[in-house]
Amino acid sequence: EPEVTQTPSHQVTQMGQEVILRCVPISNHLYFYWYRQILGQKVEFLVSFYNNEISEKSEIFDDQFSVERPDGSNFTLKIRSTKLEDSAMYFCASSRDRDTEAFFGQGTRLTVV
Amino acid sequence: KQEVTQIPAALSVPEGENLVLNCSFTDSAIYNLQWFRQDPGKGLTSLLLIQSSQREQTSGRLNASLDKSSGRSTLYIAASQPGDSATYLCAVRGNQFYFGTGTSLTVIP
Repeated sequence: EPEVTQTPSHQVTQMGQEVILRCVPISNHLYFYWYRQILGQKVEFLVSFYNNEISEKSEIFDDQFSVERPDGSNFTLKIRSTKLEDSAMYFCASSRDRDTEAFFGQGTRLTVV
Repeated sequence: KQEVTQIPAALSVPEGENLVLNCSFTDSAIYNLQWFRQDPGKGLTSLLLIQSSQREQTSGRLNASLDKSSGRSTLYIAASQPGDSATYLCAVRGNQFYFGTGTSLTVIP
């Protein structure tokens, strides 16, 4: 069964450093998302991406964050100058259409120290 | 703004029981609703997708219903097993997914 793949599974970084979280969505999917989940809290929307551009972003997704689809297969989330409060599990998701099933990756656990 | 609520927050049942998890949402303008399972520290596994035009969807021991007009969905789990222990999340889809806070289910052998 096709799946969304995220790397790395766990990343530890120092406060102020930049991190790039990587995702390989399912190959024929057109809608891509990044979500995060702070430990013990709700899954929160960060950004959606369609047709090679951001279609919607939350108030969390400020200038510190950016997304790219550099080569038609990977989908990356960059966090510049990480803060302690960025520590969370980050999930990538994809779907073929807006009304079809969405698949989430296993997540990248980001720990900022 | 869409708000999604799940009740109960936690549920503990003996093995073999049937159970119902509830999800409510405030804005009925949705494409669909999806139920997920999350094991501790793990990702989100899709269980069932219900389109906004559907009333019900079944997969094995799972049955999900949707009443869009009243903003409610239920996930029915038949003959629960210890392996069903996990957190169950519902997510309604508009331009993004809006998640509930989840129901933590423990099935006691």
